[in-house]
Amino acid sequence: DIQMTQSPSSLSASVGDRVTITCQASQDISNYLNWYQQKPGKAPKLLIYDASNLETGVPSRFSGSGSETDFTFTISSLQPEDIATYYCQQYDNFALTFGGGTKVEIK
Amino acid sequence: QVQLQESGPGLVKPSQTLSLTCTVSGGSISSGTYYWSWIRQPAGKGLEWIGRIYTTGSTNYNPSLKSRVTISIDTSKNQFSLKLSSVTAADTAVYYCAREDVRAASWYFDLWGRGTLVTVSS
Repeated sequence: DIQMTQSPSSLSASVGDRVTITCQASQDISNYLNWYQQKPGKAPKLLIYDASNLETGVPSRFSGSGSETDFTFTISSLQPEDIATYYCQQYDNFALTFGGGTKVEIK
Repeated sequence: QVQLQESGPGLVKPSQTLSLTCTVSGGSISSGTYYWSWIRQPAGKGLEWIGRIYTTGSTNYNPSLKSRVTISIDTSKNQFSLKLSSVTAADTAVYYCAREDVRAASWYFDLWGRGTLVTVSS
């Protein structure tokens, strides 16, 4: 299996802050990496696909970068509606895996 | 628009088989451009991919669950189903069905059901 290590597991930031989450793959997954946002009681929502491509309709304050084993997800200016848990997910092989999640809270 | 809806018992006894169905409405499950997955989430924990099925019936499973999982598809009913055998309390979770878009080089979950809570308890 490809393991996805996501950090931090939680963070607290102020409105307007830049927030960065990292995801590390246990082996090279090229750019086969997606990012999802999950709000409490809701299903996840796709934000970024192929490591850096913004899904249609997603605000431009969200971005992603990286390749091979190291990936970064950034919220350039945290907004109150961004309170959620964020997950990375790899699809390099036929056993899909998610990172452990990062819970983002407002300070 | 296309929607997914999970259905099935909310309570399953230990050692029994958990059975869930996902009904696809507003579109055809037979489209050759999607995989259909099951994903679960224990309370307060992260997401775990269980497995997926293609319209041809071809499946891929999470290696950690493979011995207990069967995913099937019924194109006539526009449904796909999950069976998880020999359940324990550790299988208690919200179970989601999801669509994985594989039309292009990018593959991602673009549509999810609302999720259904399954509790394993006697």
